[in-house]
Amino acid sequence: SQQGEEDPQALSIQEGENATMNCSYKTSINNLQWYRQNSGRGLVHLILIRSNEREKHSGRLRVTLDTSKKSSSLLITASRAADTASYFCARGTDKLIFGTGTRLQVFP
Amino acid sequence: KAGVTQTPRYLIKTRGQQVTLSCSPISGHRSVSWYQQTPGQGLQFLFEYFSETQRNKGNFPGRFSGRQFSNSRSEMNVSTLELGDSALYLCASTSSSWNEQFFGPGTRLTVL
Repeated sequence: SQQGEEDPQALSIQEGENATMNCSYKTSINNLQWYRQNSGRGLVHLILIRSNEREKHSGRLRVTLDTSKKSSSLLITASRAADTASYFCARGTDKLIFGTGTRLQVFP
Repeated sequence: KAGVTQTPRYLIKTRGQQVTLSCSPISGHRSVSWYQQTPGQGLQFLFEYFSETQRNKGNFPGRFSGRQFSNSRSEMNVSTLELGDSALYLCASTSSSWNEQFFGPGTRLTVL
């Protein structure tokens, strides 16, 4: 499959805990983007990490990229109930190829 | 700056009909891409337009088509609708700097 794989497929945690989601891909990349999708709605752009970057932060989000392992991870620290959503990684430039997504449930 | 807008937000059609969806990109963005999201297939790329020209195309049948206007607004059309076309259709506009794609809220199409 061209799609990347994300794991876990689903994750349930309590508020305040950290959530880590992983994304693997098969071909070389120029950059990798992470998105959040609340139930049945549009995708919200979170972070773009370039192939020459190893780590990037945005607020409570931390993204790492290991091009030698063809993998990336998204860490959400001190999670909140509002972080409940599906999270996708996507590679490509003009044509994005999405991973299968991780469904995160944060319980208050 | 206003985000990507899509109209309509919800649509119900019957098999055999055709449908047109509209997307207005972020001001200044010249590239517009379309994606289909279904529970079974996930997010799949349909096509991408840049300066009124189709630049990339995904693996969808010819019933799926699109166009882009001189103001960068884009439309996609699906003819002879099938039940399997029921999906969330997402439009994205691309910033020219690092190809970040920003998505609209989507159009939920239901084919009965």
